[in-house]
Amino acid sequence: EPEVTQTPSHQVTQMGQEVILRCVPISNHLYFYWYRQILGQKVEFLVSFYNNEISEKSEIFDDQFSVERPDGSNFTLKIRSTKLEDSAMYFCASIMTADNEKLFFGSGTQLSVL
Amino acid sequence: EDQVTQSPEALRLQEGESSSLNCSYTVSGLRGLFWYRQDPGKGPEFLFTLYSAGEEKEKERLKATLTKKESFLHITAPKPEDSATYLCAVQAGTGGFKTIFGAGTRLFVKA
Repeated sequence: EPEVTQTPSHQVTQMGQEVILRCVPISNHLYFYWYRQILGQKVEFLVSFYNNEISEKSEIFDDQFSVERPDGSNFTLKIRSTKLEDSAMYFCASIMTADNEKLFFGSGTQLSVL
Repeated sequence: EDQVTQSPEALRLQEGESSSLNCSYTVSGLRGLFWYRQDPGKGPEFLFTLYSAGEEKEKERLKATLTKKESFLHITAPKPEDSATYLCAVQAGTGGFKTIFGAGTRLFVKA
């Protein structure tokens, strides 16, 4: 079965450093998302992306965050200057079409900011 | 504001002891209500989508039901391998089809 692939599985960084989290969504999917989950807390929506632009973003997704689909396969989340509170599991997800709302999630990137 | 509340936070069952998980929601323009299963350190895995009040879906020992304000996930004769966190989520029919998750119910099934 096709799956969403995320790299790296773990990322350790120093506070203030930039990180880029990478995702390869399922090839025929059109809607892309980033979610995060702080340890022991709920899965939180960050941003949705469709037709090469942001469709919607949450209050968490401030100016320090950006997303990009640089080519036909990759979908990236960049955090410009990481903070301690950015430590979380980041999940990429995708939906095939507007008529099929089931989210397919990747296995996540565990980001630790020291 | 769209909101999803799940109860209980945690549930401990003996193998074979049936029970139900609750999800109450408020959302403007419900497009679908979802149940996902999440194992530790992994991404949520899709279980069911429900669209309208009265709808029911079944998969093995799980059955999901939907009313106008709530959804229930019924677990019949659970096994230890059913131990996981069960997440309820709602999707509004606006913008980029944002899906909002509840905090989940951690289910522990003891043999």
